[in-house]
Amino acid sequence: GENVEQHPSTLSVQEGDSAVIKCTYSDSASNYFPWYKQELGKGPQLIIDIRSNVGEKKDQRIAVTLNKTAKHFSLHITETQPEDSAVYFCAASGDWTGTASKLTFGTGTRLQVTL
Amino acid sequence: DVKVTQSSRYLVKRTGEKVFLECVQDMDHENMFWYRQDPGLGLRLIYFSYDVKMKEKGDIPEGYSVSREKKERFSLILESASTNQTSMYLCASLTGSSGANVLTFGAGSRLTVL
Repeated sequence: GENVEQHPSTLSVQEGDSAVIKCTYSDSASNYFPWYKQELGKGPQLIIDIRSNVGEKKDQRIAVTLNKTAKHFSLHITETQPEDSAVYFCAASGDWTGTASKLTFGTGTRLQVTL
Repeated sequence: DVKVTQSSRYLVKRTGEKVFLECVQDMDHENMFWYRQDPGLGLRLIYFSYDVKMKEKGDIPEGYSVSREKKERFSLILESASTNQTSMYLCASLTGSSGANVLTFGAGSRLTVL
C-alpha cells in the first residue's frame, strides 16, 4: 500500500517569513495530493490539492509543487501570519475507483508562527 | 455548507466497556470514513463505508467495528475498550467523484479509556 512521509514534524517561523513542508510517497500510481490544515479543536480541512498532471498550483499565499519522478510534493506558505499556526497534513491517493479511493496521510507538521 | 457532526466531543470510558461513536452527515454522501489521530502517527484509517450496510476495513481495524444502517449515519464501535484505544477519532464524508477525493471532517471525538 501507499506510504507517505512528512517532514518536519514541527516548524517555527517568524511572522512574514516563508514555511515549507515536504512529503514523499511510495506508490507511483498515486495521482492526487491534497493538503489539509487542522486548527485547534477542529477537524482537518482541505486547503489546496494538486493532481499528477500538474507541477505546481498556487492559491494566494499558499502553493504546492509536485515532482513525480522523485515522488515528492511540498507545501509553501509565504508571508506567514499568526492564523497560519496549525497542524498540516499531506496525503496521497490513486484513481477514483467508484467505491472509495483511500487517502493515505502523512504524520503531520505543527506550524507555529511567532510574532 | 457541508456538515459532519460527531455527537460526542469528549468521552471517558473504562476498560472493557462497549463504546459507540456516532457520526452524521447532511450531504447525502455515499462514502464515509473513520480515522484515528495520534501524535506522531498522523491520521490512520480504521474503517470506511461506500454505501448503506457496506463497509471495508482500513489500515487498523483490529478492535473496532462499524455500522451503517442509514446513509447519513456511520457509527464506530469499540466492543471492549482498551487503554491503547485512547485517542482522537475523526469521522469524514467524501465530497465529489472522479478524482476529487475531498474529505469533510467532523470536529473529532476524544476518547479516554481508563
